[in-house]
Amino acid sequence: GAVVSQHPSRVICKSGTSVKIECRSLDFQATTMFWYRQFPKQSLMLMATSNEGSKATYEQGVEKDKFLINHASLTLSTLTVTSAHPEDSSFYICSAPGREGYTFGSGTRLTVV
Amino acid sequence: DAKTTQPTSMDCAEGRAANLPCNHSTISGNEYVYWYRQIHSQGPQYIIHGLKNNETNEMASLIITEDRKSSTLILPHATLRDTAVYYCIVRVANNYGQNFVFGPGTRLSVLP
Repeated sequence: GAVVSQHPSRVICKSGTSVKIECRSLDFQATTMFWYRQFPKQSLMLMATSNEGSKATYEQGVEKDKFLINHASLTLSTLTVTSAHPEDSSFYICSAPGREGYTFGSGTRLTVV
Repeated sequence: DAKTTQPTSMDCAEGRAANLPCNHSTISGNEYVYWYRQIHSQGPQYIIHGLKNNETNEMASLIITEDRKSSTLILPHATLRDTAVYYCIVRVANNYGQNFVFGPGTRLSVLP
């Protein structure tokens, strides 16, 4: 089945630094990748949609200059959290359309200290 | 996409069937019912989906009412590893440009 590999699974970074999260589609091509954020005890909230070869579209309230998305190939999409602050600490999850529904990455637990 | 309503939480004894209900009274004719689950600190996992016929796979069964306004996900023999948040989502299939919208889901606790 379709697999999305997400890396890293967890990261701790200092406030003010940047963190890159990668999502790779392993056995299929993902022209679209969805990026979600999930705070503790809450549901997944869509942050942005990335499309291979074009600019990402961001949901209302999500700063595009802070959450940089690159989808340069059909198998790789990256999310970079720039100048991270403690309030950016969250669980970040990517997702791509697969054969049956959408396939989700395993998530990245970001902690900003 | 049609809105769904699910109970906030449910308990189930290990080895028994877990029946998770979902109401989707405003579902459109071309919208499917999808079920995903999320085990703590993991990404959501696809379980099953259907349009109007009942569906079964190795993980679960999906029973959709004739009027399609509600459905039930059945885990036939729940194990402790089935403890998770279960999300019922209705949406048009093969609309790859559109994301899945997650509600709060049902937190299923399988008890020993």
